[in-house]
This record gives sequence, structure tokens and C-alpha cells, in this order.
Amino acid sequence: GQSLEQPSEVTAVEGAIVQINCTYQTSGFYGLSWYQQHDGGAPTFLSYNALDGLEETGRFSSFLSRSDSYGYLLLQELQMKDSASYFCAVLAGGGNKLTFGTGTQLKVEL
Amino acid sequence: ETGVTQTPRHLVMGMTNKKSLKCEQHLGHNAMYWYKQSAKKPLELMFVYNFKEQTENNSVPSRFSPECPNSSHLFLHLHTLQPEDSALYLCASSLDWTAGTGELFFGEGSRLTVL
Repeated sequence: GQSLEQPSEVTAVEGAIVQINCTYQTSGFYGLSWYQQHDGGAPTFLSYNALDGLEETGRFSSFLSRSDSYGYLLLQELQMKDSASYFCAVLAGGGNKLTFGTGTQLKVEL
Repeated sequence: ETGVTQTPRHLVMGMTNKKSLKCEQHLGHNAMYWYKQSAKKPLELMFVYNFKEQTENNSVPSRFSPECPNSSHLFLHLHTLQPEDSALYLCASSLDWTAGTGELFFGEGSRLTVL
């Protein structure tokens, strides 16, 4: 089977940097995705890492270490609108089959 | 606006009712998905269709019946549901099931309550 672990809640202040970690156990691993979901909204795609290393997209960066079965999402210059749930998801087992973690609720405070 | 539209947004039904959820995507994608999202649980993949053909059925009870008449439309027919089936049902699409990009485009979901 597959399992993912990520913290359930993270709180940070506006303007700060926050890192959301994700560890996974799976077979047939291809890559790690991150999604953002605001309350009542659709999950939206943030990033996908297939190779080791850091990928940056604006204020958000995502990191993958395949040897450690570990990744993280880094959010810089936090804004109130970043308050949302963030999900990591592994792509494994063929096709575009994603298995999601339980999500991390990020609260950004003034 | 994600390009994936789901209706209805909210649905309340009794255990003996029959209802359907509808999903439409305007992205020109060929793969469509149903996911179930329950509180404090990971999103659970239910079904996948690629070019109108079902490619994944994640051991979903037969009281959930999917239908994909074309690559732009996906339905989830519901009958004799249980209260534990109450959840947010999310539809998603991607360009192609075989191209593992890790990227899905989700709708805003249909919030189902079974009484």
C-alpha cells in the first residue's frame, strides 16, 4: 500500500516563511505533487517534482529527496490569502494515479 | 474558474433516493476522475475514465455508478446510499491518463449529505 504523512496544522505570521513536510511510503514512485485548497474551493495544483532538488515558482518552492522518501513545500513572504489546506500527493503505480495525504491546514496570522 | 464545473454544489438525499452528480470540463482533456473527500481523511480516488473508457475502479461499492458519455462529461449515479457516504465528491480532469504529470484540474465539488 501507500502512505503519506504531513502535519495536520501549521500556523505562521504574515511575511514569514513556512515549510510543510511530507514523507511517503510507496512502491512504483514517479513523483510528488502539491495542491492548495481554500475552504469551499477546488484543490488547485501547485507543483510536481519527479527529480531530486528544489523547484521554485514565485513565492512557492517544492523539494524532493527520492532517497529519503521526503519532500516539502516552502512558502515565502506569507500572505493572508495563503491560509488554506495543502496536500501532498504521490504519483505511483502507473498512469496519472495520485494518492493524497490528509492535508496540512495553514493559518496565516497578522 | 478551473474549467471543471460540477452540479449540483449541494445535495441532500435519503437512503432510498436516486440522484446523479454531473461534471463537465472545458479544457479539452481526455481523462476524468471522481474523488471522495471526507473530513480528516485523504482524498480517495474512486473512478478514472480515459477517452470514455473506465481505467480505474478503486473497489467502490456498486451503489455508486459512474457514466462517461464523452470526454467532456462525467456522471456519478447514486442509489441506496448510506449516511457514511456523506462527503464532498470532487471531479477532476487531466490531459491524458497515461501521461503521468501529477497535475489534475479539480471542480469545486458536490457536497452530499445522506440522511
